[in-house]
Amino acid sequence: AQRVTQPEKLLSVFKGAPVELKCNYSYSGSPELFWYVQYSRQRLQLLLRHISRESIKGFTADLNKGETSFHLKKPFAQEEDSAMYYCALRGSNYKLTFGKGTLLTVNP
Amino acid sequence: NAGVTQTPKFRVLKTGQSMTLLCAQDMNHEYMYWYRQDPGMGLRLIHYSVGEGTTAKGEVPDGYNVSRLKKQNFLLGLESAAPSQTSVYFCASSWGQGSAFFGQGTRLTVV
Repeated sequence: AQRVTQPEKLLSVFKGAPVELKCNYSYSGSPELFWYVQYSRQRLQLLLRHISRESIKGFTADLNKGETSFHLKKPFAQEEDSAMYYCALRGSNYKLTFGKGTLLTVNP
Repeated sequence: NAGVTQTPKFRVLKTGQSMTLLCAQDMNHEYMYWYRQDPGMGLRLIHYSVGEGTTAKGEVPDGYNVSRLKKQNFLLGLESAAPSQTSVYFCASSWGQGSAFFGQGTRLTVV
């Protein structure tokens, strides 16, 4: 079975502060890991894929297979980063599973 | 650039009524997914499809049926709606190795 755990439902930081959104996963094979973002009343959109190893909007995420984690980080949070963030895992059967999400609020 | 389109956007049903939600994608994606989004529960996978004519159960399939008769369409059916099925439903599609693209969501209320 595949599972994604996001331990924080809510995360609140001040503008300019570093932010880390945690994601842990459970999967027996080699998973694909993603971060999706949902701004208020909008559809989900891709933020990052672990395969591409790129930085989008200042966010980065590194896959740690030893700790089975894929935490999302940004060194300096901006108010426009306020949104719901979802970590997702796709297994070899192409089943795409999401965590429960973390609501990030960046205060001015 | 239509991408993934869901129909309808909003719907109110009475308990026991049936309805079908349509998801259409124009990107020739092989894989399609139906999720429900509830407060505090995140996105939960209802059913998914790895190709035309195939479907598979997700985490919460009970009370729902799906069909993928054409590659571009993935239909989600509720045979006898219940208040517990009040939710926002999202459809998504992807290639095998690519990221998923989402529809705008369908807000369903069952009274």
